[in-house]
This record gives sequence, structure tokens and C-alpha cells, in this order.
Amino acid sequence: GAGVSQSPSNKVTEKGKDVELRCDPISGHTALYWYRQSLGQGLEFLIYFQGNSAPDKSGLPSDRFSAERTGGSVSTLTIQRTQQEDSAVYLCASSSRWTSGRSEQYFGPGTRLTVT
Amino acid sequence: GQQLNQSPQSMFIQEGEDVSMNCTSSSIFNTWLWYKQDPGEGPVLLIALYKAGELTSNGRLTAQFGITRKDSFLNISASIPSDVGIYFCAGLLNYGGATNKLIFGTGTLLAVQP
Repeated sequence: GAGVSQSPSNKVTEKGKDVELRCDPISGHTALYWYRQSLGQGLEFLIYFQGNSAPDKSGLPSDRFSAERTGGSVSTLTIQRTQQEDSAVYLCASSSRWTSGRSEQYFGPGTRLTVT
Repeated sequence: GQQLNQSPQSMFIQEGEDVSMNCTSSSIFNTWLWYKQDPGEGPVLLIALYKAGELTSNGRLTAQFGITRKDSFLNISASIPSDVGIYFCAGLLNYGGATNKLIFGTGTLLAVQP
């Protein structure tokens, strides 16, 4: 079946502009996650959505970052007033609802954001 | 952000050799996952571990969940050129409830010489 999809695949923006990154999770997956990967680094957790519960926003680096998940499916990560340090690959993942103590996250291809 | 200690940082081996990499943490995890990432792609799940002491295989890959729940290793036997990539371990910080985030290791770059 279809995996996690993200758009755009690449985004170049000028410092100070706002950007929106989109994630379409695997159909039927109730949990959605955003991570950030800086050049040569591991992945850094940003935010987690689970069904209708309040999202875990503990990883968002500043109030310039926000995310929404509409209708329990598609999610948009918004970065306002972008800075050069925001340049990174933004990865989205989804997983099915936690059952039997198991939850595996599946990742999309990422959006490479470059702030000039 | 928080990251797990993963070693080695990089490995350059000959085709056919076995590979071993590991992750350690000061925190206890309930789940350990191993991912592989190719250039320009998202991480792909290789193996998931859910119980302390669990040993799980996936083809030429074998991974173990440490007894202390603070470490895990991944072995690749008889490496082939397509094993090239960056391997990440990840620990699940909490499960169920309000959070379910993965803490990732720093990655191991594997290069395989044909």
C-alpha cells in the first residue's frame, strides 16, 4: 500500500519568509510525528499527534514552529519568519494506534528546507 | 535535542564481512528500533525490539534488546554493497498515553567495498 508522502520534496526560501510543509500519513494510521534532521545528524523529535488527543509539542524549538493535523489525517508543519538555522530535512512518520505494546513508526521521504 | 550514543560513527568494510554496531543510553527504553537511511530518503524500519533480552533476526540482520533496557546492538552478517547507508538506533521514550516519541542515535555510516 501507499506509504507516508511529503510535499514539497525540496523547498528553498528566503530568510524571514513563512513556509508550510505537508505530510500525508499511511491510511488508517492514527499517530503522526514530525522530526527534523540537520546535516549529518540524527533525527530530532518535534511534535506528535495521536487521534483527537492534545498533541505533544515538547520538541518544537521555538514559537515560530507550529503544526496542525486536520481531520485526523493530513498534517501541515508551519515555520514562520524562517532563519538559516531552520535549514534541515523535515521528516514525517506515522504509526497505527498502540496495541499489544507495539508501535512502529514509518517515515516519509522528507522535505529538504534551505533558508537563504 | 536528546540523542543516544551510537558507535561506531563509521565503518569501512569489505564485502562479505560481518558488521556490528551498538547504542547505549542513560535512560531505560521500552522499545528499541533500528532504521536504515539511504541518501535523500527517509529512514526505513529494519527491526523492532519490545522485550529486554529479546533477540530478533530479519534476514542477515540480527538485533538484541539489552537486559538493562539501556542498550541495543545490530549485527549484519555477510555484508553486500547494498548494505551501504546510515544506520540509526531509536529508543521509544514512552508508550501509550500522551507521548510516543523516538529518541534517535547519532548514526553509523556503513561503507562496503565490493
